[in-house]
Amino acid sequence: EDKVVQSPLSLVVHEGDTVTLNCSYEVTNFRSLLWYKQEKKAPTFLFMLTSSGIEKKSGRLSSILDKKELFSILNITATQTGDSAVYLCAVEGLRSRYSNTGKLIFGQGTTLQVKP
Amino acid sequence: DSGVTQTPKHLITATGQRVTLRCSPRSGDLSVYWYQQSLDQGLQFLIQYYNGEERAKGNILERFSAQQFPDLHSELNLSSLELGDSALYFCASSVDFRAHYGYTFGSGTRLTVV
Repeated sequence: EDKVVQSPLSLVVHEGDTVTLNCSYEVTNFRSLLWYKQEKKAPTFLFMLTSSGIEKKSGRLSSILDKKELFSILNITATQTGDSAVYLCAVEGLRSRYSNTGKLIFGQGTTLQVKP
Repeated sequence: DSGVTQTPKHLITATGQRVTLRCSPRSGDLSVYWYQQSLDQGLQFLIQYYNGEERAKGNILERFSAQQFPDLHSELNLSSLELGDSALYFCASSVDFRAHYGYTFGSGTRLTVV
């Protein structure tokens, strides 16, 4: 069964700290891995990763994928209170080798709290 | 505003009842996805429609059904409601049948079954 596991489940840090969030997966016919940030309501898209070893970066956030070891990390440097949220990792697989769907399998999320 | 519109935002209903959740996708998007988010299960994929046809199905209960209309809006019907159906129901849309650069979520419908 396809599975995505995130760790830690929750994290409390102080402003200015650097955090690393982990996501491991098992999925048939892997297509891509996505990171989302969820504050109060809808998840908002952060990154999509399809190739191993290529870092995606946006401001203080960065992410990388290891397709051999089946995991990804999301790094947040110089954390701010506005980074407090649930961070979701999701994997897109293929329905079959030749058939796409947009179905995403989500992990349980990591709840990050950044204290002033 | 993400461009994906869900109504209603909140719904409180009794066990055994039936409700309909509505979703209008972002302009130009052909796929609509429905997800259920509960505290213990996280975000669970229910079903995807692409241009009016069912494209993929998750662990959607038989009491639940969905459809996508010619104008591309979608409805999720939940019947014989149970307390355990209380959750946040998200709709998302994407331009075609793939997730691409993260599809866009609506703000959700919070369903409370009492």
